[in-house]
Amino acid sequence: QVQLKESGPGLVQPSQTLSLTCTVSGFSLTSYNVHWVRQPTGKGLEWMGVIWTGGSTDYNSALKSRLSISRDTSKSQVFLKMNSLQTEDIATYYCARDYYSGGGRHYFDYWGQGVMVTVSS
Amino acid sequence: IQLTQSPSLLSASVGDRVTLSCKGSQNINNYLAWYQQKLGEAPKLLIYNTNSLQTGIPSRFSGSGSGTDYTLTISSLQPEDVATYFCYQYNNGNTFGAGTKLELK
Repeated sequence: QVQLKESGPGLVQPSQTLSLTCTVSGFSLTSYNVHWVRQPTGKGLEWMGVIWTGGSTDYNSALKSRLSISRDTSKSQVFLKMNSLQTEDIATYYCARDYYSGGGRHYFDYWGQGVMVTVSS
Repeated sequence: IQLTQSPSLLSASVGDRVTLSCKGSQNINNYLAWYQQKLGEAPKLLIYNTNSLQTGIPSRFSGSGSGTDYTLTISSLQPEDVATYFCYQYNNGNTFGAGTKLELK
């Protein structure tokens, strides 16, 4: 069945780089796009970016200068790297599979469990 | 497009018919989904394209709406429905609503 699982350090020092991995199973990264979405504790969800089946990426304009998404299709893994972390980046980070609804519209049909990231020295 | 969900907190009893609202700042053209998020869990897709029920979701959940106004209805509230519900528009970019927290009275 379709599964996504995020992994990575739960604690990052201020100004350092966050590195997360999303390991997927039950589908291929060359057939489905994968997004990253984050949620500060007690707040709403924020779309961060996507890696498309062809390997290209799109990012939230507010995060674009700090964010990079890549993948290793042979390992069924998608990677998120975000630099210059600050306390505003404290959140649970999710990866989610994309479902194409037609007409250039996409929604998320499966999500990982999420990984909580704290920024502190 | 900004999404406004109301109410932010809803208390209801088991068996109640519950209605959650999501209003867009522009026309969403029915490209709206609803997600359920239980405490400590990942969001789960309930409804897509306004009124299409995701596979495996109980039929007590339904969606409706058009234009800028959309609704998620739970026909008979069950204890396991306690969760936060988010709407999500994918007509123009992508935006999440702030959520409605549903609790038992």
